[in-house]
Amino acid sequence: VMTQSPATLSVSPGEKATLSCRASQNIGPNLAWYQQKPGQAPRLLIYGASTRAAGVPDRFSGSGSGTEFTLTISNLQSEDFAVYYCQQYNNWVLVTFGPGTTVDFK
Amino acid sequence: QVTLKESGPALLKPTETLTMTCSFSGFSLWTAGMRVGWVRQPPGQAPEWLARIDWDDQKFYSSGLKSRLTISKDNSGAQVVLTMTNMNPVDTATYYCAQIGWGNAFDVWGQGTMVTVSS
Repeated sequence: VMTQSPATLSVSPGEKATLSCRASQNIGPNLAWYQQKPGQAPRLLIYGASTRAAGVPDRFSGSGSGTEFTLTISNLQSEDFAVYYCQQYNNWVLVTFGPGTTVDFK
Repeated sequence: QVTLKESGPALLKPTETLTMTCSFSGFSLWTAGMRVGWVRQPPGQAPEWLARIDWDDQKFYSSGLKSRLTISKDNSGAQVVLTMTNMNPVDTATYYCAQIGWGNAFDVWGQGTMVTVSS
């Protein structure tokens, strides 16, 4: 089971956003972060807990291992307002997504 | 450039079988290391992984839906088909296929197709 907090994060452009994801058991570094905007498919941001996917701006950074993970968005831009999901892939029979964190405009 | 596109029915009746096709370009599922997965997302909810198929025909299924799912690839290496039996209204969702990259995450996604199950 994956949990995410907070459910909603209200921030202003230029601020930093810190999103948390917790796994119910040790998943090592096998965690990804996705961004999803209304009407669009999810977009991969981070895999391996901390590796940015191709084309992802360096204001997005991931950290953590085991059961506690963090996605940090520095200098938030207007295009960053979206829903963010974490996903574990440590065990492919039990691949799960978290419930999501909505980053909205303060 | 990798692209994927899902196709399938927009509306199904309860108990019917869903057959979804994922057509992709920019890679071949006959190439070592290539993998494709299916994910669905009910309206307003988080995504849910369904199934995965690898270049060597290994298959993985969500433990909760395994009895209803079948994933396969065609001879061209450019299409993957997912079937889900005994559809019911809680299966109403947008169904996505995605390429699974070397980092084991869903790298590139299709646009998704909305499937509604209703009598």
